[in-house]
Amino acid sequence: KQEVTQIPAALSVPEGENLVLNCSFTDSAIYNLQWFRQDPGKGLTSLLLIQSSQREQTSGRLNASLDKSSGRSTLYIAASQPGDSATYLCAVRVQGAQKLVFGQGTRLTINP
Amino acid sequence: GAGVSQSPSNKVTEKGKDVELRCDPISGHTALYWYRQSLGQGLEFLIYFQGNSAPDKSGLPSDRFSAERTGGSVSTLTIQRTQQEDSAVYLCASSLGGSLNTEAFFGQGTRLTVV
Repeated sequence: KQEVTQIPAALSVPEGENLVLNCSFTDSAIYNLQWFRQDPGKGLTSLLLIQSSQREQTSGRLNASLDKSSGRSTLYIAASQPGDSATYLCAVRVQGAQKLVFGQGTRLTINP
Repeated sequence: GAGVSQSPSNKVTEKGKDVELRCDPISGHTALYWYRQSLGQGLEFLIYFQGNSAPDKSGLPSDRFSAERTGGSVSTLTIQRTQQEDSAVYLCASSLGGSLNTEAFFGQGTRLTVV
């Protein structure tokens, strides 16, 4: 059974810092990994999708990496801003199944 | 539509009543998913549709929960005889389907409160 873990559960940093969020998964047989953000009381916004054959994806200040063999992904946020404050979720699409399996998320607070 | 649309955005119901939650996926998306997010919990998979069929219903918590999809588009999640533990945010997502390498897009969710 695929399990996804995100560490840390919560993170608070001053504005302007670069930071890394971690995601690990137990079964490397995945199709892809997707990072989302969730603002309080809102749905999920897709940030980046990394296919199993890719090593990284970039969008603006965000960079996500994938090491499928070790079951790890990181989300790097450069020059953090207060507007980046949200819960960040990673999810993997498992081979042999259609569903996305989610981690518990990292609650990020950027302090002005 | 421009995005996944869910209605209602909020629903308060009395214990024992039935509720229907609606999801309008992005036009052309053949894959549709329902998830549940309870307070302080992660996202729990409920059911997956490909077109109008549901090849994976493994996450439905009890026989009080059912879902259907018509015309390969709109989906309805029905909860019968609601219980307080059904209180949660119900999220719907869609993706292009066909290929498993496609991005999933979520709606804003329906917050269900059973009193």
